[in-house]
Formats: sequence, C-alpha cells, structure tokens
Amino acid sequence: DAGVTQSPTHLIKTRGQQVTLRCSPKSGHDTVSWYQQALGQGPQFIFQYYEEEERQRGNFPDRFSGHQFPNYSSELNVNALLLGDSALYLCASSLVQYTDTQYFGPGTRLTVL
Amino acid sequence: AQSVTQLGSHVSVSEGALVLLRCNYSSSVPPYLFWYVQYPNQGLQLLLKYTSAATLVKGINGFEAEFKKSETSFHLTKPSAHMSDAAEYFCAVSDQAGNQFYFGTGTSLTVIP
Repeated sequence: DAGVTQSPTHLIKTRGQQVTLRCSPKSGHDTVSWYQQALGQGPQFIFQYYEEEERQRGNFPDRFSGHQFPNYSSELNVNALLLGDSALYLCASSLVQYTDTQYFGPGTRLTVL
Repeated sequence: AQSVTQLGSHVSVSEGALVLLRCNYSSSVPPYLFWYVQYPNQGLQLLLKYTSAATLVKGINGFEAEFKKSETSFHLTKPSAHMSDAAEYFCAVSDQAGNQFYFGTGTSLTVIP
C-alpha cells in the first residue's frame, strides 16, 4: 500500500519564477492538504482540496494556488517566487470523513535564490 | 482561534530517562490534539491523537499524552528514552472537523547515551 508521495524531492528556483509541486495521496484517500514548513518552524496550513475544490485556506497570498485531479492527486503552484518561499512543502492526505487523521508525505524542499 | 505553544525548543535526556515534552493549547472550540514526530529530511508521522474520548492517549513507540482541560495542556511522555527517539516533535490542534491543523514550533529531542 503506497503512502503519500511527492515530487520532486528538491527544487531550486530563482526569484520571480513559478513552481509546481505534485502530490499523490495514500491509496483510498480523497482529501489533500498542503503545508509550508520554514526552517526551524512548524508546518503552516496552506489549503485543503476535496472533490477538486478548495475547502479550506490558510493565511497565504493568492500567489499560492492549487488543483486536485479526478484521481485525487494534487498540485501546488506558487507564482512570483520570493526568497521567503524557501521551505519544505508537505502534502498530507486523508478521507474527508476522517480529516483528523492525516498522512504526510516526505515533502519537497524548495530553495529560492 | 486555535494555537499551540511548545515549551522548550530543545530537550536533552539520557538514554533510559523519562521524556517529557510540553504542549499548551488555545482553542475557542473543543479541540482535537495531536503529536507528530519528524525525523531528518522526512515528513511527519502521527504519534497519537486526542479526539474527545479518553483523556490519556497511548500512541506508538511507547509514547502517551494526557489531555488536561483545566491546564489547557497535552504533554507528551515516554517512561524510558531510546536513542531512536531523537527527532523533532510537533504538537498540533484542530477543530473537531479536522479541517485545519495548527502546529507548534517544535521541540528537538536529543537522547544522550
């Protein structure tokens, strides 16, 4: 049973560029949440997707957008990258009726130069 | 509004000694509370969760936590530390719908041989 997978593992971009991160949820899960974890900090909630719609959103600017596909996989897009966007981006999956039980992927390390 | 505070960003214990990691929460609604562990360059793994059932919650790897409403605390304990327990530990709170998690800033546990 595959767990949550994320790609790529590492990414280096320059300021102003755009980036897309990908997440495949645990088998059978239908809900995907994205988190940003800056160095030395706890994860911060970005948004959650279910049935291809954004259900909840944290305090992040519109530069952060997402998408969920019919197979429940998800993408996180960040436009106009800033140095402060450098972080570990974590994806977590769950069942919509049990969103208190989230399984996390290993993350994508984004470095913005 | 919900938040958690983890007291002590770094904790060191001797192998075999008691582990105590502190977490206090703030929530305007009955909370769900969680402890996660993160090993270097990995995602988060759920240790245990409180979801309004028993106040003493047992988790994986010998960890347990007690929900104390009067103290707004959810401290994590383990009777005897093992070298493999060295990691970063995060406390988190959510509402009972589990739609949005709020994480603390983490406690780094070092186990001294």
